[in-house]
Amino acid sequence: KNEVEQSPQNLTAQEGEFITINCSYSVGISALHWLQQHPGGGIVSLFMLSSGKKKHGRLIATINIQEKHSSLHITASHPRDSAVYICAVDVGGAQKLVFGQGTRLTINP
Amino acid sequence: DTGVSQDPRHKITKRGQNVTFRCDPISEHNRLYWYRQTLGQGPEFLTYFQNEAQLEKSRLLSDRFSAERPKGSFSTLEIQRTEQGDSAMYLCASSLGWGWELFFGEGSRLTVL
Repeated sequence: KNEVEQSPQNLTAQEGEFITINCSYSVGISALHWLQQHPGGGIVSLFMLSSGKKKHGRLIATINIQEKHSSLHITASHPRDSAVYICAVDVGGAQKLVFGQGTRLTINP
Repeated sequence: DTGVSQDPRHKITKRGQNVTFRCDPISEHNRLYWYRQTLGQGPEFLTYFQNEAQLEKSRLLSDRFSAERPKGSFSTLEIQRTEQGDSAMYLCASSLGWGWELFFGEGSRLTVL
C-alpha cells in the first residue's frame, strides 16, 4: 500500500463544475503539498499546508491532520485547469517529499 | 518559467553510456532536490543538498548514480553505465528551506535504448 493515495485517478468534468480531488496518507507528516503538472513535465507548487485551509483564486486546499486526509477543490473549473494534480507529503521535515500517483483532470468546454 | 533550469531537456542514449544532467536552482535557494519520475507515476525522491552538502540519498540511488553541488550553486546528476530501467524524467527542485515553497524545473527526460 502506498503511503500517499489519491482519488480519483482520472476525472473528467464539464467547464464550470466544482472539482474535488482527495488525498489520504498513512504516515505522520510535517506538511502536505499540492502540485500541478502539465504535459511535458513542468511541476508548479499550488499549496503547502500543515493545518486548516488555504485559498488561492479558484483553488482551495484543506487538511485534516487527525484523519490524515486532504482535499483540493477547484471552483468554476475551466479547460485550462486540465492537468495532473499531485499530492505530496513531507515526512521527515526536510522537504524530501513522498508523492501520490496523481489525479489526471480533464475539463471539457 | 519557475526560475529553476535543467539541461538537457531530453537525452537519448544507448545502454552502457554515461549521461550527466545539470540543474541551476534559483540563486538564493539553499536546498536543492533531485527526483525521478517514471511514466504514469508520481516523482520519487533521489537526493538533496543543503548548500554544497549532500544530506541524504535514497536507496533508489545505486552506485551508478552520483550527484554533486560544488560551491552550493548548480548541481549535476551523473548516471554511469545507463540501463533501460533508468529511462525516466529527472526533476530538480529548489527552495529556501523547510516551510518555503518548492520550485521545480521542467525536468530532463532520459531515454535509454
